[in-house]
Amino acid sequence: KNQVEQSPQSLIILEGKNCTLQCNYTVSPFSNLRWYKQDTGRGPVSLTIMTFSENTKSNGRYTATLDADTKQSSLHITASQLSDSASYICVVSEGGNKLVFGAGTILRVKS
Amino acid sequence: DSGVTQTPKHLITATGQRVTLRCSPRSGDLSVYWYQQSLDQGLQFLIQYYNGEERAKGNILERFSAQQFPDLHSELNLSSLELGDSALYFCASSVEYSGIATQYFGPGTRLTVL
Repeated sequence: KNQVEQSPQSLIILEGKNCTLQCNYTVSPFSNLRWYKQDTGRGPVSLTIMTFSENTKSNGRYTATLDADTKQSSLHITASQLSDSASYICVVSEGGNKLVFGAGTILRVKS
Repeated sequence: DSGVTQTPKHLITATGQRVTLRCSPRSGDLSVYWYQQSLDQGLQFLIQYYNGEERAKGNILERFSAQQFPDLHSELNLSSLELGDSALYFCASSVEYSGIATQYFGPGTRLTVL
């Protein structure tokens, strides 16, 4: 069964600190992997999209990595800000626009 | 603001009823996707339309149906509603059909079934 598992389920960090969120997937075939940020009660916003040939992609303070061999991805957030508090969702595309969503990691950044 | 609009923002109805959720994609986007997000659960892909035609189907119940009109707006129809259908329903749009297309999500419609 195609699955996307994220860890940790939730995380609390101090403002200014770095953190890394993990994503493991068993989706096959694999087309691409995306990270989304979802603020409470709002629609997700795309952070990065990576194909199997890309192993790192950055978007400001967000850096995603992908290891297609081990089927793992991570999202690293540098110098966290209060506005980074949100749910971060890992999404893997089977191709043909079928997306498999992870349950998300809830990040809380506190001052 | 993603440019995707959804109406209504909130909807409260009773079990057994039928509702219609509406989505207007970003200008120029041909693909529309529908997702369901139940409380404390991940997003579930329901269905995708591209330029008026159904392109991909996910975990959509038979009680649910959708369509995309010639002006590219889309509607999701939910019938014989059950308590478990209470959720946030998101619409997303993208320019292309391809699997690499960036999807832009709307603000969602919160459906409460009493």
